[in-house]
Amino acid sequence: GAGVSQSPSNKVTEKGKDVELRCDPISGHTALYWYRQSLGQGLEFLIYFQGNSAPDKSGLPSDRFSAERTGGSVSTLTIQRTQQEDSAVYLCASSFFLRARTNTGELFFGEGSRLTVL
Amino acid sequence: DQQVKQNSPSLSVQEGRISILNCDYTNSMFDYFLWYKKYPAEGPTFLISISSIKDKNEDGRFTVFLNKSAKHLSLHIVPSQPGDSAVYFCAASARGFKTIFGAGTRLFVKA
Repeated sequence: GAGVSQSPSNKVTEKGKDVELRCDPISGHTALYWYRQSLGQGLEFLIYFQGNSAPDKSGLPSDRFSAERTGGSVSTLTIQRTQQEDSAVYLCASSFFLRARTNTGELFFGEGSRLTVL
Repeated sequence: DQQVKQNSPSLSVQEGRISILNCDYTNSMFDYFLWYKKYPAEGPTFLISISSIKDKNEDGRFTVFLNKSAKHLSLHIVPSQPGDSAVYFCAASARGFKTIFGAGTRLFVKA
């Protein structure tokens, strides 16, 4: 499809297990973001990839969280030793590079991966 | 440190009336502001944006106003329709840097 694709759409796991969430951005988009939305909360920034630059990891809540982006395209968010407070919808978004003069900076979001940690 | 704030968690308006959603920001480096709309179980979708060189941008029923001196922006929806009922997120970015979102305002439009 032409949009941002995320998988799995739903994941239920037991506390202490590791999970991997995948994001396929829109082809040609150089920027990729991960956000999460906990129940009743806003969009919490996690990590931002822009081209070949070092990612902005300032939003990752702990060292149990990591993300990589291979070949400037697909990204995987990994949560190790999951905790109940990790339960949330994890949203991926992509966009063109913000410095382009004609770029509105619009982010295109996937439908999210709902993570439930029991 | 909340750089983008939406202080009203919810707003209820009558169909046909104006909806006004507010947003405040603290970082003067922000030069692009966007509004997103989110329905349950879906990702946010872009609604309208405004550059810091403008003070108003209009798109159909939606208008965004920017007051840089007050570091405040607002989204006006007129006339409001029941299908506008959703969560609205304000977002801000500085070119080349990450986009920061507010906590969202849930809009209820009553028929």
